[in-house]
Amino acid sequence: DAKTTQPPSMDCAEGRAANLPCNHSTISGNEYVYWYRQIHSQGPQYIIHGLKNNETNEMASLIITEDRKSSTLILPHATLRDTAVYYCIVRVANSGGSNYKLTFGKGTLLTVNP
Amino acid sequence: DARVTQTPRHKVTEMGQEVTMRCQPILGHNTVFWYRQTMMQGLELLAYFRNRAPLDDSGMPKDRFSAEMPDATLATLKIQPSEPRDSAVYFCASGRGGTDTQYFGPGTRLTVL
Repeated sequence: DAKTTQPPSMDCAEGRAANLPCNHSTISGNEYVYWYRQIHSQGPQYIIHGLKNNETNEMASLIITEDRKSSTLILPHATLRDTAVYYCIVRVANSGGSNYKLTFGKGTLLTVNP
Repeated sequence: DARVTQTPRHKVTEMGQEVTMRCQPILGHNTVFWYRQTMMQGLELLAYFRNRAPLDDSGMPKDRFSAEMPDATLATLKIQPSEPRDSAVYFCASGRGGTDTQYFGPGTRLTVL
């Protein structure tokens, strides 16, 4: 799976949008971009994933550049409860095979300040 | 709200003792993962199963760790004998495989003295 690069930490003011970048310049055409987050002392939580197009769900939006070498996770109105480590992961899309692994890096610690 | 459950949530034991951690995946999920998290190494995949069969356990120390799925509702991770370096939080996750989301349990915090 392609490696990802994320800033180790970011700050955001409560109520503002949090934009978390991720570089995955060696991503292959069949690899998805996934975002998970881990709130302190809890298990990781799925946020969103995408292949080429931008995606939005109730938690966040995912913007993937046209060349797919980078992406941005957007939390539109960050709250204190969004303080967590955010992991960007790329993974082969192989629904019929056996490659189900997620390889977690160090992620970005997002701190939402009052 | 379906969740992955793990027991025990906390375990303190002495070096050399056997430790068994249990995981109940979400009903209907056929893929189960075991991860370990430490400050130094972060989140590491130890092993995973599909339809109760082990697909990959290359991340697991073979001499002391073993993972099994006695049935579709129970996955176990056993350490025998335990060592202080095994101290970590162990997470179980389940999913439907492929590109499906992995749902993580709350973890078992293991301390080996």
